[in-house]
Amino acid sequence: QVQLQESGPGLVKPSQTLSLTCSVSGGSISSGTYFWSWIRQPAGKGLEWIGRIYTSGSTNYNPSLKSRITISLDTSKNHFSLKLTSVTAADTAVYYCARCTSGYYGVWVDFCDYWGQGTLVTVSS
Amino acid sequence: QSVLTQPPSASGTPGQRVTISCSGSSSNIVGTNTANWYQQLPGTAPKLLIYSNNQRPSGVPDRFSGSKSGTSASLAISGLQSEDEADYYCAAWDDSLNGVVFGGGTKLTVL
Repeated sequence: QVQLQESGPGLVKPSQTLSLTCSVSGGSISSGTYFWSWIRQPAGKGLEWIGRIYTSGSTNYNPSLKSRITISLDTSKNHFSLKLTSVTAADTAVYYCARCTSGYYGVWVDFCDYWGQGTLVTVSS
Repeated sequence: QSVLTQPPSASGTPGQRVTISCSGSSSNIVGTNTANWYQQLPGTAPKLLIYSNNQRPSGVPDRFSGSKSGTSASLAISGLQSEDEADYYCAAWDDSLNGVVFGGGTKLTVL
């Protein structure tokens, strides 16, 4: 059973960089044809896709956040990471990591089947 | 404002059938692109409920079903139960944004 666990500071100051790690257990992040993704959810609001990284290292980012995001893989530690620069209060949210499948199987498939429990990051001075 | 449009709320009584709609566009829920549905119980992470328009992951009751027509998708819940009270989100890949887009979510209340 694949499990994901987010970790990182719960409080980040405005203009600084938010850094989170997602540790994966029960499977290798370098095997299979999976995308490793980040999604966030401000309190009381909906889900927002941040971006994803493939096992090859290629990435896709949300265009509205692209200039501030870096997602990377560390296969030696079996985890992947998110860095979001120049944060503001609008970046305060619960951040989820997830394992996602994407590909063409007669139809275009793109879904996330394993999620971490989420971690709250507050941007405040 | 979300790229995919869902009603903010829905309700039903135990045993009833409820449907939740998700309206997209020609860049997401169209052609061979598929829609997914996630259930988020209060205080928990989202859970995959329906993928590829109408497929249920192992363990999801067959009371939950999905469909797609044109640029819209729907989630149907039959035999409504109190434990179905949750937020439901649709999602799809968007070819124009080159990323995943979510609906704004529908809060389902079991009366």
